[in-house]
Amino acid sequence: EAQVTQNPRYLITVTGKKLTVTCSQNMNHEYMSWYRQDPGLGLRQIYYSMNVEVTDKGDVPEGYKVSRKEKRNFPLILESPSPNQTSLYFCASSESSSYNEQFFGPGTRLTVL
Amino acid sequence: RKEVEQDPGPFNVPEGATVAFNCTYSNSASQSFFWYRQDCRKEPKLLMSVYSSGNEDGRFTAQLNRASQYISLLIRDSKLSDSATYLCVVNRGGIDMRFGAGTRLTVKP
Repeated sequence: EAQVTQNPRYLITVTGKKLTVTCSQNMNHEYMSWYRQDPGLGLRQIYYSMNVEVTDKGDVPEGYKVSRKEKRNFPLILESPSPNQTSLYFCASSESSSYNEQFFGPGTRLTVL
Repeated sequence: RKEVEQDPGPFNVPEGATVAFNCTYSNSASQSFFWYRQDCRKEPKLLMSVYSSGNEDGRFTAQLNRASQYISLLIRDSKLSDSATYLCVVNRGGIDMRFGAGTRLTVKP
């Protein structure tokens, strides 16, 4: 089954404790993105990658890191999480065209205390 | 001003009603346009792409007006299962996607 998976789905952590949210897709897509979704603000792009070893900042990259060592994986790293990073996070992938559908993972609900 | 603006609603309509959602975008160089549907606490899923010529998929019709930088979605004969949040999405090129905050629809019996 074609899908995007994320882990963990739910996470409660404390300020400053490094964490990684994994994202994997099995559709051989070139493009991958991370978004955060907050009430009233919609989805905002954090980082994106157009291919292996190619990553770039989105609208809200501060406090986040990513890597793209393999085509299928695109982990999101919070080196020192803060309460304002409490949010719902989605990973997405698509083929390499601006006209293609983005496929989203099921989301990761993160709470930073 | 947000780059993609939608009326947040909520829209509460009876079954069988016709409902229309509007969306405006500010970047005239935007390349492609979409409506996504998001159920509560779930991931967004593509409902339909939006083309300048307008396109229809069953009860759903989408229109794009590039001159006015305006996108619309019309839902005819609403079903209970149409209850969701509808996201207007604009692609500025490559993977640069901008999302509206969403319009919430509740269809009531």
